[in-house]
Formats: sequence, C-alpha cells, structure tokens
Amino acid sequence: QQQVKQSPQSLIVQKGGISIINCAYENTAFDYFPWYQQFPGKGPALLIAIRPDVSEKKEGRFTISFNKSAKQFSLHIMDSQPGDSATYFCAASGQGAQKLVFGQGTRLTINP
Amino acid sequence: ETGVTQSPTHLIKTRGQQVTLRCSSQSGHNTVSWYQQALGQGPQFIFQYYREEENGRGNFPPRFSGLQFPNYSSELNVNALELDDSALYLCASSLTLMNTEAFFGQGTRLTVV
Repeated sequence: QQQVKQSPQSLIVQKGGISIINCAYENTAFDYFPWYQQFPGKGPALLIAIRPDVSEKKEGRFTISFNKSAKQFSLHIMDSQPGDSATYFCAASGQGAQKLVFGQGTRLTINP
Repeated sequence: ETGVTQSPTHLIKTRGQQVTLRCSSQSGHNTVSWYQQALGQGPQFIFQYYREEENGRGNFPPRFSGLQFPNYSSELNVNALELDDSALYLCASSLTLMNTEAFFGQGTRLTVV
C-alpha cells in the first residue's frame, strides 16, 4: 500500500506549547520519512527527516519519533511559536528522497 | 532560498487546452520530480526525470508528459486540460537520484475554467 495517513487535519496550540502531528504508513519498503513545512503560496520546505535505523531525531525545536513495529512516526514541535503556523506534511519514500508519498497535511495554528 | 524556480507563477487555461510549465533546477542537480497538489491536499507524485530520462511515474494519465533538458531544467506538459487539473504544480530537484534531499520550487498555480 502506498498511503500515508496523517492526523490531525488541523491543530491549535498555545504559544510555548508542544505541537504533535502523527503519521502512519503501510508499505514496509519505505525507508525515508521526511516532514515538510508549507506556508501559503510557497512550496514545501524540508524540516527534518529520519531513516528507520533510529527511533528519534532532534534538530532544534523539532523532533521526529519513529516506531518501526507500529509503522508510525510523529513530529513534535517544542516551544511552539506563532511563526510555526503553517501546514505540515509527513511523507515517505522507498527510494531515497525520491518519489515521495505525502500525507494529507495538518494545518497548525499557534495562538500568541 | 532553495534555488528551484518555476514559471509561470499563475496560469489560467480553458478546458481542452494544452499547457507547459517550466522548472529550473538548483545548480548541479540532475534529478527533477513533478508533483500535483490539489487544494487542501498533499502533493502527489507525477513523474521523475534523471539525466533526461523518465525514471518512474505516478498514477497520472499519458496526457501528462515531461521533458528534461541537458542543463537539467524541465518541463511538464498537460494536454486536453480538465477542470480537475486545477492545482498547484510543484517541481522538486535533487543533487542525484538516491539518498539526497528534494528541494521544492514555489509552484505554478494552474486554474482550468
């Protein structure tokens, strides 16, 4: 199966809080799991990515948690800021960073 | 700034017409992929080009076609436009075929009326 299921569809978090977005996949051949951030009128920009040989990767305020047995991965945004308000997409690929299969997106709003 | 540029930014076409969208890859990148992003949805993979050859295609009909040129710039052509083709079309370039980050352009917003 090629689907990547993302939840929630929308999320509202207070400034300083933790934003958590979840994704699930079915294809066990997937070996690259990136998260993209997209602002209105812009193309997606890579935030952080993980491969299945590790269970967690942290870059600044952004952390990916990966559960290979459950076929799930999540994005945690610590100390969320109004500037983080955007649409976030998880994705997966079995061919390096190519031919990405995207989730449906999560519209994140950080209230000041 | 990713260095991937797409033109035009916006485009309005009539159903049944043909359209060509253009993408200039980031310098040195030999791999380009095209995605269609419908409103409120995630991008969907259309096809990929590597060194001027098509290298994989998603679930899109043959009226979606592409080209990659020797300088690695690329075109997406869509024939016989349908209303459902209205979307943001994204181009992404990568340094090479495997295990490298994909950089997206800002997209071309196509509206079919």
